[in-house]
Parts: sequence; C-alpha cells; structure tokens
Amino acid sequence: DAMVIQNPRYQVTQFGKPVTLSCSQTLNHNVMYWYQQKSSQAPKLLFHYYDKDFNNEADTPDNFQSRRPNTSFCFLDIRSPGLGDAAMYLCATSRGGDRRVQPQHFGDGTRLSIL
Amino acid sequence: LAKTTQPISMDSYEGQEVNITCSHNNIATNDYITWYQQFPSQGPRFIIQGYKTKVTNEVASLFIPADRKSSTLSLPRVSLSDTAVYYCLVGDVDTGGFKTIFGAGTRLFVKA
Repeated sequence: DAMVIQNPRYQVTQFGKPVTLSCSQTLNHNVMYWYQQKSSQAPKLLFHYYDKDFNNEADTPDNFQSRRPNTSFCFLDIRSPGLGDAAMYLCATSRGGDRRVQPQHFGDGTRLSIL
Repeated sequence: LAKTTQPISMDSYEGQEVNITCSHNNIATNDYITWYQQFPSQGPRFIIQGYKTKVTNEVASLFIPADRKSSTLSLPRVSLSDTAVYYCLVGDVDTGGFKTIFGAGTRLFVKA
C-alpha cells in the first residue's frame, strides 16, 4: 500500500500559470520534504517541514512555495512556472525526534511539463 | 554536510556480487551513512543505513572501515531488476538538521 501519495503523477501547465502539486502520507511522520529532480540528475532538496516549522533551502527560488495544512498533507506551489521548472517533483517523509538520520519514504513523484 | 563521491556507472552480470564504494573523507563524528536506490520514474527507496563496521539486511550489506572515510554497498547475486541508480548520503540530524544532499549517484547496469 502506498504510504506517500503524490497527485497527479503527470501535470502539464502553461508558462507562467500557477500550479499546485500535492502530497499525502499515511505514516504520521513529522517531517515532509519536497525535492526537484531534473532528467539524469540527483534529487535536489527545495524545502522541508518539521511539523509546522518550514525550512527553506537557501538556493530555492522564491517562485516555489509550500503549505502544510496538517500532518498528512503538503503542497508545492509554483507561482509562475518557467520552462526551467519542468522536472520530476518528489515528496518524502521521515520520522523526527531522533538525532539519527531517519530513512526517508518517497512518493513516486509528479512529472511537471511546461508548455 | 560531508560531500560524497561515487563512481558514475558500473556494469555487472546477473548472479554476480556488486560492490559500490562511496568516498566521504569529511564525514563528521555523528554522521550516519545511508544508501538509496532509484528506478526510472520512481522515487528513491531506502536500502540500508549504518554508522560503523558492517550492517546487513535482506537486501544488501554495508561495509564501513574503521576510519569511516568510505563505505561499500554490497548487493549479492544481482538480477536484471537491480538495474538502477544508487545514492550514498552522509548526515546527522544534530549538525545538518534535515538538510539532505544527494550526490550524483552510481548507475548500475545489470546484463543478462
């Protein structure tokens, strides 16, 4: 059973048209992450939430925003998508409260195309 | 966070043991070493994690020498379905928080 669910699997939007990607989890994990992965590259962390605390990576463009209304759901908003934002967007979760780095559980991603 | 270096790609044949080595010369005292596997069009999947010596689970083994400046992921008797990208990550929650840096990874090709 899928524990980190991303919808939709494929999303097409127009240049400059806002788009929202969603992620839900059934693991009740404290931490939720958003990654961007471009073709043949490694995933790149955009930001993460520890419970309601938002942590943005220094090099994440302002164009990318996130919301976490409750433990189970997290959203990635791209305010004005450019052609360079076409990528796979991955959501992941992990437990918090432990000094050891906990394994992350990933969804299968949303592939975003920009027309 | 310690930087990791892995071979870009490796080839193997079905039934062979595959060892992928990751270099992390600047590993910190509290850092753990974690390996992920990623198939095309899927998210990465956790394989194994360790701190020192040897760790084994049903999927793989992880060998970590005493100086911890490198680690080796060992996949016993690979099959075609093990063709994937393998990522080595190093980090610690206390010092690095939840910041996660994936290196370039190793593309493993398993041939029949």
